[in-house]
Amino acid sequence: SQELEQSPQSLIVQEGKNLTINCTSSKTLYGLYWYKQKYGEGLIFLMMLQKGGEEKSHEKITAKLDEKKQQSSLHITASQPSHAGIYLCGADKGSGNTGKLIFGQGTTLQVKP
Amino acid sequence: NAGVMQNPRHLVRRRGQEARLRCSPMKGHSHVYWYRQLPEEGLKFMVYLQKENIIDESGMPKERFSAEFPKEGPSILRIQQVVRGDSAAYFCASSFSGLQETQYFGPGTRLLVL
Repeated sequence: SQELEQSPQSLIVQEGKNLTINCTSSKTLYGLYWYKQKYGEGLIFLMMLQKGGEEKSHEKITAKLDEKKQQSSLHITASQPSHAGIYLCGADKGSGNTGKLIFGQGTTLQVKP
Repeated sequence: NAGVMQNPRHLVRRRGQEARLRCSPMKGHSHVYWYRQLPEEGLKFMVYLQKENIIDESGMPKERFSAEFPKEGPSILRIQQVVRGDSAAYFCASSFSGLQETQYFGPGTRLLVL
């Protein structure tokens, strides 16, 4: 069955530094979602990628999906304390339209002021 | 423009009691999904519902768990005779349609079974 592997598991960076979080799938991804979760709260939708080679940006966060659609990266430029949280990648479990999302185990980001 | 609402936010139950978790989807959304996040584990799919229909319940435990999304009112996730292992955060998400639409999540209900 399809699994999503995130790396690193946790990350501590100094404010102002750039960072990248990776999400790798064992199968082709038909829709890749990035969410952010603050401890004890719900998931906040960040971005969705569907096409191979697609790249989207919002404020200082950029997400990319590789051409083979098996790996995605989330890049944060000039990190701020407000970026701290748990970043989760999610994907449709089936071949595209089952409604069932599977998630990576999450990457915990701490940003030191 | 209210997002997905869940209540209660926190729920404490003793073993053997029933837990009822409610989810009101975003306005205009007719697809609801329930996920469970166990301590030290990832987020796992439980059930996918549309109004008055269960589309996929492959992630639901076979016993004690049930879900509904009636024509009127919120979606309900019901856990009968709760056990300590049911302690977890339960998240509801909704989407406009099921066709590769983004799922928007609620704040979750944290269930603690004593």
